[in-house]
Amino acid sequence: AQSVTQLGSHVSVSEGALVLLRCNYSSSVPPYLFWYVQYPNQGLQLLLKYTSAATLVKGINGFEAEFKKSETSFHLTKPSAHMSDAAEYFCAVSGTSYGKLTFGQGTILTVHP
Amino acid sequence: GAGVSQSPRYKVAKRGQDVALRCDPISGHVSLFWYQQALGQGPEFLTYFQNEAQLDKSGLPSDRFFAERPEGSVSTLKIQRTQQEDSAVYLCASSLGGAGGGYSGANVLTFGAGSRLTVL
Repeated sequence: AQSVTQLGSHVSVSEGALVLLRCNYSSSVPPYLFWYVQYPNQGLQLLLKYTSAATLVKGINGFEAEFKKSETSFHLTKPSAHMSDAAEYFCAVSGTSYGKLTFGQGTILTVHP
Repeated sequence: GAGVSQSPRYKVAKRGQDVALRCDPISGHVSLFWYQQALGQGPEFLTYFQNEAQLDKSGLPSDRFFAERPEGSVSTLKIQRTQQEDSAVYLCASSLGGAGGGYSGANVLTFGAGSRLTVL
């Protein structure tokens, strides 16, 4: 079985500051891990994915995430926040042969000027 | 089409009514998923199709929920005798790969904008 825990339902940062969104996972098989972003009234958009090729994964819009097996974590970071980054972010794990995703509860990112 | 299309975008139903939500996946995508997203929550899996075959329906909350994909393309999620707890956004997603021929856990799901159902 797979599960995801996102620490912090709300994160607030200043424009230009570091963004850190935390995700811990549990999986009975080697996991594939994903971060999705959701803007209001829109569907989920893929930011990045980990598929075991490299532990540091770079995604769109300057985001990256590092897979740490020993910590069962896949935290999302961005060095410098932009106002347009304000959205809800979801971490997800896939452990089935057909890519069924199990999502975390989401973290709402607010960016202050 | 270029993306996953869902209709209607918004649906208001009276308790006890039946509703049908449509999903038009990306052309050629083998896999199709339905998720339910309650307010303030992450999406929760409902059901999975590989072409026209419904291979996983473990997330359907009750027998009032029914999904089909008869020709392996467009899918419909039907909810009978709607209840207030059915109010949520219903998301459809599709991906190119399927379950056969090896591990496809890395398949990327492309999501539609969702259908927001409000049951009064």
